[in-house]
Amino acid sequence: QKEVEQDPGPLSVPEGAIVSLNCTYSNSAFQYFMWYRQYSRKGPELLMYTYSSGNKEDGRFTAQVDKSSKYISLFIRDSQPSDSATYLCALGRAGGSYIPTFGRGTSLIVHP
Amino acid sequence: DTAVSQTPKYLVTQMGNDKSIKCEQNLGHDTMYWYKQDSKKFLKIMFSYNNKELIINETVPNRFSPKSPDKAHLNLHINSLELGDSAVYFCASSLQMGNEQFFGPGTRLTVL
Repeated sequence: QKEVEQDPGPLSVPEGAIVSLNCTYSNSAFQYFMWYRQYSRKGPELLMYTYSSGNKEDGRFTAQVDKSSKYISLFIRDSQPSDSATYLCALGRAGGSYIPTFGRGTSLIVHP
Repeated sequence: DTAVSQTPKYLVTQMGNDKSIKCEQNLGHDTMYWYKQDSKKFLKIMFSYNNKELIINETVPNRFSPKSPDKAHLNLHINSLELGDSAVYFCASSLQMGNEQFFGPGTRLTVL
């Protein structure tokens, strides 16, 4: 079992839909959680960063962490065609000496 | 202002050649990274440098040699290129090890 599992998709939704993107992990040493967005032929860019269980909201984006279930989610409300991209989760360990472990990314397509 | 820049953006070369990719960050970060992203979008860490010192060297053929002349630059030299080296190579930086990373635009390497 990989340390971080993420369904590659593609996930295709109509404009305006609520999107749910998920990652599961196996190592309870992961203490902080990130979501990156990667447009085609671009580098990943950080969207959300959270340390704790619960929800963190930023505009149309909500990151949710459930450490007891080892499950993290990114919700996108009122999805737009411009949200079409690959979304990668990245999980890091406490201590500052570790490189985050990336999921393989979920490809999202929002069609008009 | 470009935070993390890479040159060249595209690189097409013949098998057996030697090539270099350059990376520069103007964020004042201490840590820099090289990642390889294959055709399935999986982002795999190759090297990490902290303050010009090699910290992490994942299982990468020794044909790949990173060099950090100062903490704002991390270059990647590849000897005797092989077909399997074709991928997108991303440079990234973070304030310190374990912090969120900022990625460059990528270098798309094609080996013929």
